[in-house]
Amino acid sequence: DIRMTQSPSSLSASVGDRVTITCRASQIITSYLHWYQQKPGKAPKLLIYGVSSLQSGVPSRFSGSGSGTDFTLTISSLQPEDFATYYCQQTYSTPRTFGQGTKVEI
Amino acid sequence: EVQLVESGGALVHPGGSLRLSCAASGFSLTSYTMNWVRQAPGKGLEWISCIMGTIGTTYYADSVKGRFTISRDSAKSSLFLQMNSLRDEDTAIYYCARDYSGSSLGYWGQGTVVTVSS
Repeated sequence: DIRMTQSPSSLSASVGDRVTITCRASQIITSYLHWYQQKPGKAPKLLIYGVSSLQSGVPSRFSGSGSGTDFTLTISSLQPEDFATYYCQQTYSTPRTFGQGTKVEI
Repeated sequence: EVQLVESGGALVHPGGSLRLSCAASGFSLTSYTMNWVRQAPGKGLEWISCIMGTIGTTYYADSVKGRFTISRDSAKSSLFLQMNSLRDEDTAIYYCARDYSGSSLGYWGQGTVVTVSS
């Protein structure tokens, strides 16, 4: 199984900050890396697919990058509505594992 | 418009069985891979199963293999998860989700709650 490791597990930030979350896969997953945002009591929402493609309707302050085994989600200027938990997921092979999540707090 | 609506969650005793349903609309079930993802209370997301669109091949996480079965009824546009030999650790919100580009999970239901407890 491919293990996905996110860091940090949580972070504190302020509105306007630049935030970076990293995700490392235990083996090469090419471009099958996706990012999700989840707010309390809600279903996850796809933010970025295929490493760097922004899902329709997602603000351009979100961006993704990386290759091979190391990937990054960046929020260029944190907004109040961005406080949430973020997950990476690989779909290169089954099981389609998620990272453990990164909680972004005020 | 793509919509996914889960149902069937309940309180069940350890060792019991439950069948979850996911009603899909706005697309054909046989054209997309469908997934079940769960989230235990206060924990992260866990992918547990998928059924491939055209071929219907199924895959499972080790944690549920041999106990859970994913299936679909294309005529009823419904996805199912048959859960047997339930354990305390199966307590979670269960989401169905549809594949999007690059096998990302682009569409999610609202979830259904399964509680396994004596």
